[in-house]
Amino acid sequence: AQSVTQLGSHVSVSEGALVLLRCNYSSSVPPYLFWYVQYPNQGLQLLLKYTSAATLVKGINGFEAEFKKSETSFHLTKPSAHMSDAAEYFCAVPSGTYKYIFGTGTRLKVLA
Amino acid sequence: DGGITQSPKYLFRKEGQNVTLSCEQNLNHDAMYWYRQDPGQGLRLIYYSQIVNDFQKGDIAEGYSVSREKKESFPLTVTSAQKNPTAFYLCASSVSDFYGYTFGSGTRLTVV
Repeated sequence: AQSVTQLGSHVSVSEGALVLLRCNYSSSVPPYLFWYVQYPNQGLQLLLKYTSAATLVKGINGFEAEFKKSETSFHLTKPSAHMSDAAEYFCAVPSGTYKYIFGTGTRLKVLA
Repeated sequence: DGGITQSPKYLFRKEGQNVTLSCEQNLNHDAMYWYRQDPGQGLRLIYYSQIVNDFQKGDIAEGYSVSREKKESFPLTVTSAQKNPTAFYLCASSVSDFYGYTFGSGTRLTVV
């Protein structure tokens, strides 16, 4: 069965520093991969998705992610963190028709 | 605007009482889902429905029940059989694997 692993339940970065949030999928190449963001007491919003059309995917709010088959990874990055980026981020992969498996999430803290 | 509405946002109930969480969507999506979110555990699938009058158990269905009498509505009942019902509940819908999920803003249930 497909699965995703997010390394690091909490990540802290300084404002203006690079953001790197890690996501690894299980061995079989998924047709799609997603990153979602969740602000406190809210639902999840789609940040970006991989669909095999391109390995480097750009999303909203300046985030991007690169699909690397050799590393089974789909890490999320942003060149310069902003205070408003503080949130929890989830990686997700399809697991059967119309179903998704979510990672356990990474909470990003941005330090002034 | 199209979207998913979950109500209420906060819900308090006494132990032993059943409670129903509302989820309504006007996106014309066929598939709808209920997830439970606990700190550090990511999102766990409770029930999902791919079509009206049909639904399937997810990974943690015990103590929960659902109905899907209309395409727009997918209410979740948390029964007294659910041993630890205090959590954040998220409803989502989807039109296909390609587009991922659209989430509601969640209901925080506290049982005292």
